[in-house]
Amino acid sequence: DAGITQSPRHKVTETGTPVTLRCHQTENHRYMYWYRQDPGHGLRLIHYSYGVKDTDKGEVSDGYSVSRSKTEDFLLTLESATSSQTSVYFCAISGSPGGRGTSDYEQYFGPGTRLTVT
Amino acid sequence: GESVGLHLPTLSVQEGDNSIINCAYSNSASDYFIWYKQESGKGPQFIIDIRSNMDKRQGQRVTVLLNKTVKHLSLQIAATQPGDSAVYFCAEKETSYGKLTFGQGTILTVHP
Repeated sequence: DAGITQSPRHKVTETGTPVTLRCHQTENHRYMYWYRQDPGHGLRLIHYSYGVKDTDKGEVSDGYSVSRSKTEDFLLTLESATSSQTSVYFCAISGSPGGRGTSDYEQYFGPGTRLTVT
Repeated sequence: GESVGLHLPTLSVQEGDNSIINCAYSNSASDYFIWYKQESGKGPQFIIDIRSNMDKRQGQRVTVLLNKTVKHLSLQIAATQPGDSAVYFCAEKETSYGKLTFGQGTILTVHP
C-alpha cells in the first residue's frame, strides 16, 4: 500500500463548516496528490505537491486549499464545505522513495475518505 | 481539454476466460500510460504501466498493448478469476512531472 494512510476515513459535516483531510506517507515520496472521485466523472485532480511547501492547482481546485509543511503529510482543506463537495477523496503519491529520482510516474493511492456534506 | 475514454463501461466474463478491456486516448503527446484496478470501497491499485516507446508489456497474467497509430490502449487479463472483478481505469500522463488524466472506468464482472 506504499505506506499511505488517510484520515478520517469517513466524515459527515454541515454546509459552511471547514474540513481538513490528512494524507500521511511513510516512505518519503516526493510527489503527493489529492483527487476526488464522483460517479460519471472518474478521478479528478484537486491539488498536488512536488515538494515541501511546493503545491499547485489541479483541474478542480476551487473551494479547496492544501498545505505540505513536511514531506510525509499533505493536508486538504475545504474552506467552507458545500454539498457539491460530497465525494470520495483519494490521496496518491509518486516518485522514488527518499526522493532519489523523479522518473517514477506510477501513482499509488491511499484507501480514501468518504466525505458527506449535509 | 484532452481526455481518456473507454469503449465499454461493463464487461462480463466466465471464470477462466481471457478478458480484454479497452481504452481510447486523445492526446498524442501522452508518453506514459497506467492501468489501475479498483475494488469496491478501496483506492485504485496499480496494475501495469507502459511507456509510449513500447507496444506491449507483460506482467503476471496481464498484458498491456499500446497502439499509438489509433491512440488505443488495452488490458488483457488471462484466465480471469472472480477476484479480478473490479473497476478498471486507464490513465495517461501528459506532462513532464507525472500528472495523470483518468478514464471513466470499466466494470469487470467475473462469473464463477
